[in-house]
Parts: sequence; structure tokens; C-alpha cells
Amino acid sequence: NAGVTQTPKFRILKIGQSMTLQCTQDMNHNYMYWYRQDPGMGLKLIYYSVGAGITDKGEVPNGYNVSRSTTEDFPLRLELAAPSQTSVYFCASSYPDSTSGGASTDYEQYFGPGTRLTVT
Amino acid sequence: QKEVEQNSGPLSVPEGAIASLNCTYSDRGSQSFFWYRQYSGKSPELIMFIYSNGDKEDGRFTAQLNKASQYVSLLIRDSQPSDSATYLCAVTPSGGYQKVTFGTGTKLQVIP
Repeated sequence: NAGVTQTPKFRILKIGQSMTLQCTQDMNHNYMYWYRQDPGMGLKLIYYSVGAGITDKGEVPNGYNVSRSTTEDFPLRLELAAPSQTSVYFCASSYPDSTSGGASTDYEQYFGPGTRLTVT
Repeated sequence: QKEVEQNSGPLSVPEGAIASLNCTYSDRGSQSFFWYRQYSGKSPELIMFIYSNGDKEDGRFTAQLNKASQYVSLLIRDSQPSDSATYLCAVTPSGGYQKVTFGTGTKLQVIP
């Protein structure tokens, strides 16, 4: 089990460029999330998905797009990168398809290693 | 008012002491409460969760929940230098578990 994997680990973008951050999980989790973490700050939810084909906005969705065509993959697209998008991006997943009936342990989020993005 | 509030610290404790980390939340209907540990440059990892009022113990860690006062705390007994990290409080809101709100975290420093 690789858990949650993210690529790339680091990336430098110029203002106005676009890119896709990849996220894959092999735990058969229904829920997947994208967060950003600015220095000294907590995690802010960008987008989340409760299953293939279903996505919804989080707290800070502007400037980002997502898709969820499979259970395993949840890519995050940045269009027209801006310096304000400089951050560390974490993907996470939770809630396996076969659950223990809604116990809180089902909702533990497993995080990927993160992508450090700089926009200059 | 922030949904989940934590003192950013740093909280400095000597090795072997008890570290006490606190978190308050604004949504009275919040259902589950999590403590994540994040080492510098790493991703968060879950160390405790609690959903009933009272105390829950796991090794050197104890989570305490008081829904009436809307706070949750984490006690670390016999603190070790390896406990030095940022501790994030996370709360699932009323109405569903899909979204989790994180606090900004408390940085803990354990002094040898």
C-alpha cells in the first residue's frame, strides 16, 4: 500500500502559467481533499470529493479546478498561476468503501507528502 | 470568530513535563474531533480522535472533550524532544463528515 501519493514534490511556475497537481490513493477511499498550507498557518480546504464524479468547493476554491473520474485519482488544476498561490499543497483521503458503520476512525484523513509550489 | 481556534505558541516545556494543548470551536453541533501532529516540512498524521465528552487515553496522550464549553484539549505526558512539532486540531461540523475544519496549530517545543 503506497497510501496517498502526490506529484510533483516541488515546482516553480511563472505568473500566468498553468499546471496540474496529481494525487492518487490506493486505499479505496471515497473521500478525497485538496488543502493548501501557507507558512505558519493551518490547512485550508480548496476542493473535496465524496466519490467519483462528485466534487464540491471548499473554503478557498478561486483559481483552482478539480475533477474525479476514478476513485483513485483527484487532480488539482491551477489556471493562470498567481503569486498568491505560492503554498504547500496537500492531498488527503478518508472513508474506505467498506466501513465499520460510521465510526469516527473511518474519517481519519491520510495525507500525501505535499507539493511545494512557488509562483514568481 | 474563527471556526477552530488554537494558540499558535510556541509552547515550551521541559523534557518529562506535561504539555497541554487547547482548542476551541464555534459550531456547537460539531461531531468529531481530531488531533494531528505535523513535523516541520512533513504532512500531518493523526494521533488522537475523540467524539464523546470526557477523556480518552492512548499511551502518553490524553484527549479531553467538553462539548458544553466547546473545547477540546490534548495532554502529552512525559514530553520528549521527539514530540516537538505543530499540533493541529480538526473538527467535523454538524451535518456531515465530509468537510473537516483545521485550526492553525500550536507549535510545541520540548526542551531537553
